[in-house]
Amino acid sequence: GENVEQHPSTLSVQEGDSAVIKCTYSDSASNYFPWYKQELGKRPQLIIDIRSNVGEKKDQRIAVTLNKTAKHFSLHITETQPEDSAVYFCAASSTGNQFYFGTGTSLTVIP
Amino acid sequence: DSGVTQTPKHLITATGQRVTLRCSPRSGDLSVYWYQQSLDQGLQFLIQYYNGEERAKGNILERFSAQQFPDLHSELNLSSLELGDSALYFCASSVGGLAGTYEQYFGPGTRLTVT
Repeated sequence: GENVEQHPSTLSVQEGDSAVIKCTYSDSASNYFPWYKQELGKRPQLIIDIRSNVGEKKDQRIAVTLNKTAKHFSLHITETQPEDSAVYFCAASSTGNQFYFGTGTSLTVIP
Repeated sequence: DSGVTQTPKHLITATGQRVTLRCSPRSGDLSVYWYQQSLDQGLQFLIQYYNGEERAKGNILERFSAQQFPDLHSELNLSSLELGDSALYFCASSVGGLAGTYEQYFGPGTRLTVT
């Protein structure tokens, strides 16, 4: 089955700096890659996603890039703010039936 | 608010007992997913249903079972509970289907504590 690895597990950045979280996947059939943000004690929230026919997608300060050849995708957050502090999860799916999640990255934005 | 509802919000029970967690998907969503999140752990996929049928199964224990009803709500049954079953249980929904979208929206979760 699919295996999704996520790095780093923790990340601290100064407010205003950029943050990058990387994930790799093993199954070349995976074609949908969402990112979720989870604040402490809250539900995961979909923040951005990308499909395999697209190399990059951007939504304001958040962007995701996908390299199908290398089987990795990354989340980029620019101009970070304290409210960006949370745990971020990447995931991969090939059919929309089963999702494989990374182990999460705890992002801390230092004011 | 994602539009996905879960009840109860909290559940405290003893080892060996059985509980039922309930999930109502967003209006129009046909797929329901169940996840387990233990303390400081990631999201473990348990099972997925689409329009009443089981579509995918993850690392779900034999003591656990689920179903999706004709009105599309879903229930996750956990039996012979052990201390290690204490976790947050999330339900998520999506439109699903071959031509559907994959975007999942999570409910607020049920926090299960087994004592």
